[in-house]
Amino acid sequence: GAGVSQSPSNKVTEKGKDVELRCDPISGHTALYWYRQSLGQGLEFLIYFQGNSAPDKSGLPSDRFSAERTGGSVSTLTIQRTQQEDSAVYLCASSFLGRKLISTGELFFGEGSRLTVL
Amino acid sequence: GENVEQHPSTLSVQEGDSAVIKCTYSDSASNYFPWYKQELGKGPQLIIDIRSNVGEKKDQRIAVTLNKTAKHFSLHITETQPEDSAVYFCAARGYSTLTFGKGTMLLVSP
Repeated sequence: GAGVSQSPSNKVTEKGKDVELRCDPISGHTALYWYRQSLGQGLEFLIYFQGNSAPDKSGLPSDRFSAERTGGSVSTLTIQRTQQEDSAVYLCASSFLGRKLISTGELFFGEGSRLTVL
Repeated sequence: GENVEQHPSTLSVQEGDSAVIKCTYSDSASNYFPWYKQELGKGPQLIIDIRSNVGEKKDQRIAVTLNKTAKHFSLHITETQPEDSAVYFCAARGYSTLTFGKGTMLLVSP
């Protein structure tokens, strides 16, 4: 597709269940980012992928959160044993990495996956 | 790590007025400062950016200024229109990841 695609767009789950959120970045973008947006809060960085490796996962809130990326393309963010405080919009973004492995700048965001934990 | 503060959290203006949003950052190594606009139900979208070797950049009705010494940068929107109503985020980047401010909800009344 032309843009970053995220699924599901909405997910309602019960406390304690596991959820998986998917991100399909723009073709050719080697950098992929996950951010979390809670009500009234900014964009909280979670993890950054460069190809299939994650040089910066410092934003993952706890060991219940994990993410992987395969084939340098699709990424999955997994939240185990969900808690009510996990309720938020999870945004994925991708960007192009230049020769020096520095992002050229613009992040292209998907529309997000809204997670509600009851 | 980087810390970005953004003010105000909400801003209401009349159509045609100017709007200014201000941000400060903490890491003097940051060298890239973008602004994103987020409309309801959408992901943020880049509207303008500035790099540390430039003090000001303008694109039609929007402009960004950067003061590296004071570590602050600002977004200026002139002749505001109702379609400018959205949440605006500033951000700063040093090496690889963007750190965002908490956002400003701009409301432009007709």
